[in-house]
Amino acid sequence: EAGVAQSPRYKIIEKRQSVAFWCNPISGHATLYWYQQILGQGPKLLIQFQNNGVVDDSQLPKDRFSAERLKGVDSTLKIQPAKLEDSAVYLCASSLATGGRASYEQYFGPGTRLTVT
Amino acid sequence: AQSVAQPEDQVNVAEGNPLTVKCTYSVSGNPYLFWYVQYPNRGLQFLLKYITGDNLVKGSYGFEAEFNKSQTSFHLKKPSALVSDSALYFCAVTYYGNNRLAFGKGNQVVVIP
Repeated sequence: EAGVAQSPRYKIIEKRQSVAFWCNPISGHATLYWYQQILGQGPKLLIQFQNNGVVDDSQLPKDRFSAERLKGVDSTLKIQPAKLEDSAVYLCASSLATGGRASYEQYFGPGTRLTVT
Repeated sequence: AQSVAQPEDQVNVAEGNPLTVKCTYSVSGNPYLFWYVQYPNRGLQFLLKYITGDNLVKGSYGFEAEFNKSQTSFHLKKPSALVSDSALYFCAVTYYGNNRLAFGKGNQVVVIP
C-alpha cells in the first residue's frame, strides 16, 4: 500500500513569511497527526485529527500555526508568520480510527524540512 | 502526562555484537510502548510495539524489546548488529484511550564494521 505522502520535502523561507505543508495519509486511515521535530529532539505532537475534526491541538501555537483537514483526507499545516525557532522537520502521520489496538500504530511520512532564515 | 527517557545520546557497537538501546517511561495507567527507527532524510519507521501479553516483543529486522513493568523499561535489542542498523532510534509511550505518543529524544546507533 502507498505510504503517507508529504510535500514539499524542503523549504527555505525568511522570518515573517508564511509557509504551508501538505499531507496525504494512507488510504482508509481516519486519524491524522502533525508533529514538529526539532534537531536533536523527538517529535512533538502539534495537532491530531479524527476524520475532519480536531481531537487534540493543545500543543499547537495557535497565534501562528493553523491546520485543516477538509473532507477528512488530505491536510495542510500553515505557519504565518514564521519565526527562526520554527526551523524543524514537520512530520505527518496517520493511523486507523481511534479505538482498538491497531489504532495505536502510527505511520509516518518522510517529513518537510523547514529552514527559517 | 506520559514521558520517555533515553539516557544515552549515542550507542556504538561492533558489527556482529549484540545491540541494546535503553528506554524508560512514565505514564498513568498501563503503558503502550513503541520503537521507531529513523534513517537520514526519512520519516520514522515502526519497528515494534507492546500493548499487552508476552513481555518479549519481536519486531521488524530482527529487533526485539522486553517490557519490564517493575523497572518501567522497554529496552530494544538485537542479537547481532549490522552496519545497516546505523540510524536514529526513538522510544515512545502512550496509554489506553490516548493516541498522543510521547517520544524520547532518540538514540543514535553507530555500528562499526
